[in-house]
Amino acid sequence: GNSVTQMEGPVTLSEEAFLTINCTYTATGYPSLFWYVQYPGEGLQLLLKATKADDKGSNKGFEATYRKETTSFHLEKGSVQVSDSAVYFCALKNNQGGKLIFGQGTELSVKP
Amino acid sequence: NAGVTQTPKFRILKIGQSMTLQCTQDMNHNYMYWYRQDPGMGLKLIYYSVGAGITDKGEVPNGYNVSRSTTEDFPLRLELAAPSQTSVYFCASSPRDSSNEKLFFGSGTQLSVL
Repeated sequence: GNSVTQMEGPVTLSEEAFLTINCTYTATGYPSLFWYVQYPGEGLQLLLKATKADDKGSNKGFEATYRKETTSFHLEKGSVQVSDSAVYFCALKNNQGGKLIFGQGTELSVKP
Repeated sequence: NAGVTQTPKFRILKIGQSMTLQCTQDMNHNYMYWYRQDPGMGLKLIYYSVGAGITDKGEVPNGYNVSRSTTEDFPLRLELAAPSQTSVYFCASSPRDSSNEKLFFGSGTQLSVL
């Protein structure tokens, strides 16, 4: 079946450090891939998405590339800020009408 | 610009009690969803609805019921609460169910069953 696996957290970084949060998936067909972010006390919100192989999603300095050959969608940011502290969820949605499937989430804490 | 609104934000229940988690959206979205989020786990789909009068089970529906009498509202009912239902519950909506469609989430309800 479809599933998403993320690296375990928490991830603690200093401000301006480079961020990578790994995400791999298992799916039939050609799913769309998403990163959602959950800031403290808030609901999830879409950060970026990619709908086909080799697409790069980007937003707010974050990027992720849809890698079909490695079934991965790793999230990266070149220089994190304290305001990026949040929980990040990788997710997939099958293009055959399936529902959104989430990874377990990775907590990021950025220290000044 | 309310979006998806959930109430209450926090609730403590005793084992065997019942309650309804409220969810309403003002974006005229057809699709609505209920997820639960357990520590260290991803969000699991409980129930979803593709429009008023239509609901269907998700991955973990046992112990819950839903109704969708209007486009705006999608309440989740817990009957005979159990400790295993301690979780954070999120309601979400989307205008369509296409593969690249994003979901809009409420801020969640933290429920403890003691």
